Amino acid sequence: GAVVSQHPSWVICKSGTSVKIECRSLDFQATTMFWYRQFPKQSLMLMATSNEGSKATYEQGVEKDKFLINHASLTLSTLTVTSAHPEDSSFYICSASVRDRMYQPQHFGDGTRLSIL
Amino acid sequence: AQTVTQSQPEMSVQEAETVTLSCTYDTSESDYYLFWYKQPPSRQMILVIRQEAYKQQNATENRFSVNFQKAAKSFSLKISDSQLGDAAMYFCAYRSAMTGTASKLTFGTGTRLQVTL
Repeated sequence: GAVVSQHPSWVICKSGTSVKIECRSLDFQATTMFWYRQFPKQSLMLMATSNEGSKATYEQGVEKDKFLINHASLTLSTLTVTSAHPEDSSFYICSASVRDRMYQPQHFGDGTRLSIL
Repeated sequence: AQTVTQSQPEMSVQEAETVTLSCTYDTSESDYYLFWYKQPPSRQMILVIRQEAYKQQNATENRFSVNFQKAAKSFSLKISDSQLGDAAMYFCAYRSAMTGTASKLTFGTGTRLQVTL
C-alpha cells in the first residue's frame, strides 16, 4: 500500500531554534498534503492544507509565519516551526492525498514528536 | 461546517467479546466518506474501515464492521472477537466528496478502547 514517510520521528531542541519536519510520499504523487497537530490524549487538529506548487491554506488560529509549509514537489512537503518555544511542543502528523480522489483514504506519516526545552 | 461527535471517551471490552463505538456527525452534504482510524500507543494512524455515503450496505473488514445510518447521521464501529491488539484510540472521521479538492478529514474527539483479559 501507499507509504508516507515522516522525518524526524523525534526532535528535542532549545527554545528559539527553527525545526523542519519532512513528509514524503514514497509511492504515489501527493497533490495535497495535510499537517496536523495532536496534543496528548486529544484528537488531531488540522493546521494547514498544502497543494503542490501553491501556497498553503491555514486553519483559523494557526500562525502562518510560525508554521511555514512548503510543498515544492509531488512527493515532498515540509513544515518548519520557526523560533520554536516550549508551547510549540507537540506531536505533528502529516498525511498525503491525491486531488479529487476523496474515495481514497489519506495516508499518514508516523508523526514527529517535537520537544522544545 | 461538518462536525463529528464521539460521545464515549473510554470503553472497555473483554478479550473475545464484542464492543461498539459510537459516532455521529453533522453535515448538509449528501455525498461524503466516513472513516474509522485506529491510533495505538505508537501514535501511528491506521485506517480500520471506510464507508461511502452513497452505499447503503454497511462496510465490513474482517472483525470490524460499521452500522451506517445516513438519515440519523450515525456511523458506529463494531469490533467482534476483540483482541489485545485492538487496544488503542479510535477516531471517527468525515471527508467531503466534493470535487476540486483533496478534501480534509474532520475528526471526532476519539474513544480510548481498553481490552481486558
